[in-house]
Amino acid sequence: AQKVTQAQTEISVVEKEDVTLDCVYETRDTTYYLFWYKQPPSGELVFLIRRNSFDEQNEISGRYSWNFQKSTSSFNFTITASQVVDSAVYFCALRQPGTGNQFYFGTGTSLTVIP
Amino acid sequence: DAGVIQSPRHEVTEMGQEVTLRCKLISGHNSLFWYRQTMMRGLELLIYFNNNVPIDDSGMPEDRFSAKMPNASFSTLKIQPSEPRDSAVYFCASSLGADSNQPQHFGDGTRLSIL
Repeated sequence: AQKVTQAQTEISVVEKEDVTLDCVYETRDTTYYLFWYKQPPSGELVFLIRRNSFDEQNEISGRYSWNFQKSTSSFNFTITASQVVDSAVYFCALRQPGTGNQFYFGTGTSLTVIP
Repeated sequence: DAGVIQSPRHEVTEMGQEVTLRCKLISGHNSLFWYRQTMMRGLELLIYFNNNVPIDDSGMPEDRFSAKMPNASFSTLKIQPSEPRDSAVYFCASSLGADSNQPQHFGDGTRLSIL
C-alpha cells in the first residue's frame, strides 16, 4: 500500500504566485517522521525539512512553510511568492521506527515556475 | 563537511558488462540506502543497511544486482551482467544513527547508461 501520496504530478505557476504541494501519508505508528526533499534540474536531492509526529506546530522558513495536520494525515508544503529557482521536483517522505527505519518516498510533484 | 560521495558521476557501458557504483557515507553515519530513479518508476529503494548489515533488499530487482558494505564508511552496488533496462540514475544516501528522525543525505547520483 502506498504510504506517501503526492497526488499532484505536475504544477505550473507564474512567478510570484503562491503554490501548495500536497502530501498525504499513511501509517499506524504513533511516532513517525515526515520529510520534504527538493530535486532541482541539476539532479541532486536536497533535504528541506523534518517534522515529528508529536509536533504539529507549523513551520516557516523564508518563503517556505509547512502545514502538518495529523487529523487529515497531511503534510503540505507552500511556497510563497514563487521564483524561477523554485522549479524542481519535490518529494515528501515518511520514516517510521516500526519498519526498520526505511524511508517511504512519494512519487514527487514537478513544479515549474514560469517567469 | 564532505557530503555523501558517489562515483562515478556518469557511466556508459555496453550490455553484458559488469558495473560497479561506489558510495562513501558521511563520517559518523551508519545507515546507508541505495535508490534508483527513472522517469517511468520514479525513486525506488533498492536496499538499505544499518551498521553494515543489510536490513531490506526486497527492492533489488534481480540477482544481477548486489550490494555490499565492506566497511562502515563505504558501499558498492554491482550489476552483473548489465542490461539496457538498468539505465537510470542511482543514488546513495546515508543517515545518522538508527533513529527514524534522522533525514537522509543524498549523493549527487551516478547516471548509468547501458547500451
